[in-house]
Formats: sequence, C-alpha cells, structure tokens
Amino acid sequence: DAKTTQPTSMDCAEGRAANLPCNHSTISGNEYVYWYRQIHSQGPQYIIHGLKNNETNEMASLIITEDRKSSTLILPHATLRDTAVYYCIVRVVQGAQKLVFGQGTRLTINP
Amino acid sequence: EAQVTQNPRYLITVTGKKLTVTCSQNMNHEYMSWYRQDPGLGLRQIYYSMNVEVTDKGDVPEGYKVSRKEKRNFPLILESPSPNQTSLYFCASSLSFSPIYEQYFGPGTRLTVT
Repeated sequence: DAKTTQPTSMDCAEGRAANLPCNHSTISGNEYVYWYRQIHSQGPQYIIHGLKNNETNEMASLIITEDRKSSTLILPHATLRDTAVYYCIVRVVQGAQKLVFGQGTRLTINP
Repeated sequence: EAQVTQNPRYLITVTGKKLTVTCSQNMNHEYMSWYRQDPGLGLRQIYYSMNVEVTDKGDVPEGYKVSRKEKRNFPLILESPSPNQTSLYFCASSLSFSPIYEQYFGPGTRLTVT
C-alpha cells in the first residue's frame, strides 16, 4: 500500500481556510486519494476523494499535484466543529479494500 | 436518513461470554467491513464482505466471526471474548468494493472485556 505522510498537528483560526498537506510519493496511477476525519472517538467521516483531478464538494476541496505525489485538503472557512484528526489515505484497487489509517493530522481550530 | 447503525454502543462483559455486535445499513450497499481501533495502532480491518454470503478475513480476524445472510446486516460475533479484544469497533459500508466509492462508518461500539 502506498504510504502517506502528514504533519502531526496543525492550528488554524476560525473563519480562515485550513490547508492540510499530504505526501504520497509512491502512489500508483490507479490509486485514489481519500480524506477522512475523526472527531474524538466518533466514527470516521468521509470528506472527499479524487484520482487525478481537483475535486470540490460541500465540505472541502481536494487539490492533487500533477505528478500525484502530494495533495492538499482545503476547508474553506474553518469552524470550531472542524477540530478533528484528519486522515489522508491512498486506496488500492485490488484486495480487501481496507482503509489504512495512519497517524493523521490533528487539526485544532482556534476561536 | 442514510446511515450505518451499530448496537450496542457500549458493552462491558466478562471473559468467555459470547456476544454479538450488530451492524446495519439502509443504503443497499454491497460491501461491508469491520474495524477495530486501538491507541497507537490506528484502525485495523477485522473482516469484510463483498456481498451476501461472501466474507473474508482482514488483518486481525483471530477471535472473531462474521456472517452476511442479508445485504443490510453484518454482525460481528465474539464466541469467547478475551481482554485483548477490549477496543473500539467500527462497521463500515460502501456501494461496492470498488475504490471509486467511499466507505461510510457507523458510530462505533466500545467494548470492554474484563
């Protein structure tokens, strides 16, 4: 499985854009980049995913570099409720389709 | 509301007493999976099911059983629970096993085995 590297923690002011980076330099051409978050011990929440193109939904935007070796999750207007651990995951095409959650980035939104 | 539900949410039990954690989804999803989450170890897959009557082992299947008799339900069975199965358990489901489709998680079941 392609390994991902994320900063351990980040801070962001409420109302500002939160930009969370992720490196996945060993990603294969048909592997998707997924982002999930986990608030305290709740079930992981799906945020967004993409293959090559940038993606946007009601929660966030995903920017994937042209070489696909890194990506950035953007929360455009962070609120206190966005405080969580954010996981960048590379999903393989074959096999058990398990999601491999690394250590993630602990994002703290400050008032 | 589209959701994955788990019951019970909290359970304290004793070693050896068989228990079942239920998981149900109302989205007509083919793929379902169980994970456990432990401090410092992240989420690890226990079992998964690609469709009715099709199940397979994940990374940490020892001590667990599953069944998939109906599309909506995927119960996790601990025949003889032990203290090392004390953990936070999550069920997840997806439209299919393809990585195109996102997986949705249930709220979790916190199990304590004494």
